[in-house]
Amino acid sequence: SQTIHQWPATLVQPVGSPLSLECTVEGTSNPNLYWYRQAAGRGLQLLFYSVGIGQISSEVPQNLSASRPQDRQFILSSKKLLLSDSGFYLCAWKSVWETQYFGPGTRLLVL
Amino acid sequence: GESVGLHLPTLSVQEGDNSIINCAYSNSASDYFIWYKQESGKGPQFIIDIRSNMDKRQGQRVTVLLNKTVKHLSLQIAATQPGDSAVYFCAENEGGNDKIIFGKGTRLHILP
Repeated sequence: SQTIHQWPATLVQPVGSPLSLECTVEGTSNPNLYWYRQAAGRGLQLLFYSVGIGQISSEVPQNLSASRPQDRQFILSSKKLLLSDSGFYLCAWKSVWETQYFGPGTRLLVL
Repeated sequence: GESVGLHLPTLSVQEGDNSIINCAYSNSASDYFIWYKQESGKGPQFIIDIRSNMDKRQGQRVTVLLNKTVKHLSLQIAATQPGDSAVYFCAENEGGNDKIIFGKGTRLHILP
């Protein structure tokens, strides 16, 4: 069966520090991968998605970047965090049957 | 449409009653629809899906209804339990599209 992992689960970082969030998927090949951000009590905002290794589509201009160095690995990064980068970050993968499955999320607090 | 900045609407239901959560979708070409449940501090969890060639699909205690004429989707939860307390998101996808479009979400609150 397929599983999706995210780490860390929680992260507290100072403003101006770098960021690296990792997402890995097991049990599937060549999935579409997605990064979302969710503010408290709000909906899901798509940040990036990838249809293959090295292929990244950005949905909104921002302080973040994404990379896909391996088929089942998706990384969200920032060189210098802003206060507004705080939120709940969700990784997801999409099956050939179109269903999208989410990871457990990373809660980021920028102070 | 984009609604990530809006507060989520809340539906309050008595424990044991049936819950109906509604969703209006935007793309008349969408042919696949999903309902997700998100508990506090967790990622959204797949509940049930339906394709456009159907108008009803049932799962365990849940039923999804699709009305393509008015572009409306609903999730019915039978005999609502405290564990059903969560935010529910609908999602739509047009075949071959890489991105799923999410609705704004509804918070389901269970009254004792």
